[in-house]
Amino acid sequence: DVKVTQSSRYLVKRTGEKVFLECVQDMDHENMFWYRQDPGLGLRLIYFSYDVKMKEKGDIPEGYSVSREKKERFSLILESASTNQTSMYLCASRGDRGLYEQYFGPGTRLTVT
Amino acid sequence: QKEVEQNSGPLSVPEGAIASLNCTYSDRGSQSFFWYRQYSGKSPELIMFIYSNGDKEDGRFTAQLNKASQYVSLLIRDSQPSDSATYLCAVTLTGGGNKLTFGTGTQLKVEL
Repeated sequence: DVKVTQSSRYLVKRTGEKVFLECVQDMDHENMFWYRQDPGLGLRLIYFSYDVKMKEKGDIPEGYSVSREKKERFSLILESASTNQTSMYLCASRGDRGLYEQYFGPGTRLTVT
Repeated sequence: QKEVEQNSGPLSVPEGAIASLNCTYSDRGSQSFFWYRQYSGKSPELIMFIYSNGDKEDGRFTAQLNKASQYVSLLIRDSQPSDSATYLCAVTLTGGGNKLTFGTGTQLKVEL
């Protein structure tokens, strides 16, 4: 079974803080993704990575950056957290074979006050 | 027009009935289609995928794809209260590479 883990289930941060969200997968997947999910807006892609040290912007990259130093780990960084970044953050991974199915971690509910 | 559209619901069905969830997409070149189930407060879980026209069955779930009409549906037979969740449709878009594009989901309620 694919296992994707995220560093925290719940996180509360203050405006202006630097926030790190970490994601680890154990299936040797090449591709990893960060989404945020908000009511009425669905899942929106922030960034993705198809290889170590490679990254591409998704649909809403503003205010975020990412890091992928090792194949199994993909980090999302909020350089200066703002209240409009309060959301559920979901990490996903997929291999290079198959039909593009993605497997999700449990999510991190981030609240910025 | 949204790239992937779903009725937000809620769709209410009685226990034991067939639940029918629908999804339309705008890109004629889309090749792969996925259904995810998401319980409240949890992350999405992949339950079905389909890439050929027609039906694909897995237990109580059947995915149906009609590329000419650009819709994909999910049927849940013998619906159970444990099926109550939000169902997300996801599609690969032409030129989208690795990415999936998700609909906003349909909330299903199975009532006793």
